[in-house]
Amino acid sequence: NAGVMQNPRHLVRRRGQEARLRCSPMKGHSHVYWYRQLPEEGLKFMVYLQKENIIDESGMPKERFSAEFPKEGPSILRIQQVVRGDSAAYFCASSPTNRNNYGYTFGSGTRLTVV
Amino acid sequence: KNEVEQSPQNLTAQEGEFITINCSYSVGISALHWLQQHPGGGIVSLFMLSSGKKKHGRLIATINIQEKHSSLHITASHPRDSAVYICAVGAGTASKLTFGTGTRLQVTL
Repeated sequence: NAGVMQNPRHLVRRRGQEARLRCSPMKGHSHVYWYRQLPEEGLKFMVYLQKENIIDESGMPKERFSAEFPKEGPSILRIQQVVRGDSAAYFCASSPTNRNNYGYTFGSGTRLTVV
Repeated sequence: KNEVEQSPQNLTAQEGEFITINCSYSVGISALHWLQQHPGGGIVSLFMLSSGKKKHGRLIATINIQEKHSSLHITASHPRDSAVYICAVGAGTASKLTFGTGTRLQVTL
């Protein structure tokens, strides 16, 4: 059981480039959540997905950010035309159900640096 | 006012001391999580509570639903316990978590 796998662990992008962050949930988990941790700030919810569906994207910035969780393969968080303010740690979590009181597991995060 | 408040923000202790970190929340919840994060590291889930008390090794977590308050205790603290401890709550059937700002713990020899 490999846990929640995120890659890459570290990602450096120049301003204006695209960043793609990947998250493979734990085996048997069909619910994926993305959180962002800005420097010296707490974690904030971004988006909640199930296979092929976005359930709650209330925490996603309106522009440049998108997320998907296709039928096959990992969940992808995409940031287009990155800016310095996007530099943060992005964490993915997964669970087997839509309730947060069972099996909620975090990945190790992707640290994005925009230069 | 944040929905989840933690105290203290920073805590320094000597090895062997008993440590308490507090978390208060203002919303109805279905579960409260205590998480650990080492510098530059991932997030490890320590406990998930919906009532009562849980113990794992030197760690103890309690929750009082009526008072909307939880505590994380570390007995016989050790330098390897140095990390940021984060309280997070999930409300109702919503799956997203709302986080406190964390308590930075430093345990010295």
